[in-house]
Amino acid sequence: DVKVTQSSRYLVKRTGEKVFLECVQDMDHENMFWYRQDPGLGLRLIYFSYDVKMKEKGDIPEGYSVSREKKERFSLILESASTNQTSMYLCASSLDRWIQPQHFGDGTRLSIL
Amino acid sequence: GQNIDQPTEMTATEGAIVQINCTYQTSGFNGLFWYQQHAGEAPTFLSYNVLDGLEEKGRFSSFLSRSKGYSYLLLKELQMKDSASYLCAVREHNFNKFYFGSGTKLNVKP
Repeated sequence: DVKVTQSSRYLVKRTGEKVFLECVQDMDHENMFWYRQDPGLGLRLIYFSYDVKMKEKGDIPEGYSVSREKKERFSLILESASTNQTSMYLCASSLDRWIQPQHFGDGTRLSIL
Repeated sequence: GQNIDQPTEMTATEGAIVQINCTYQTSGFNGLFWYQQHAGEAPTFLSYNVLDGLEEKGRFSSFLSRSKGYSYLLLKELQMKDSASYLCAVREHNFNKFYFGSGTKLNVKP
């Protein structure tokens, strides 16, 4: 069974802090994704990566960066946290083959005070 | 990007059948996926459609019409545990990007 693990379920940080969200998958998936989920807006793609050290911007990359130094790990970085980045963050991974669904982690609920 | 629309909320009775619709506009379609998400939990994959028609998986079926940009998820013999949000997602042709609708919250009542 695919396991996508996010490092924290709940996180509270202060405005201006640099925040790291970590995600690890154990199924050797090529693709990894970071989304944020807000009420009424659904899941919005922040960044994704299709290989080690490769990354592509999603729909809302502003204020975020990512790092993929190893295939199994994909990190989301909030360079200088702001209150409008309070949200549920979901990591997902998938195989790079036709018709492969995404597998999600349990999410990190991040509050920026 | 994509424009994906789903109803915000629906209510149905235990044992009944419910249909959740999803319409989309896309620049490069490569599959439509349905996910279930219970409150406070991760989305879990339910089904996908690539070609037109109906795909059946036990109590769940999903239908696709690519020419109409339309899909639905059909849930039969509803159970209380089916109370959850159902997310429609369209996969883009390039880069394996998925675009999600805002989800339909299904309330199953006794």
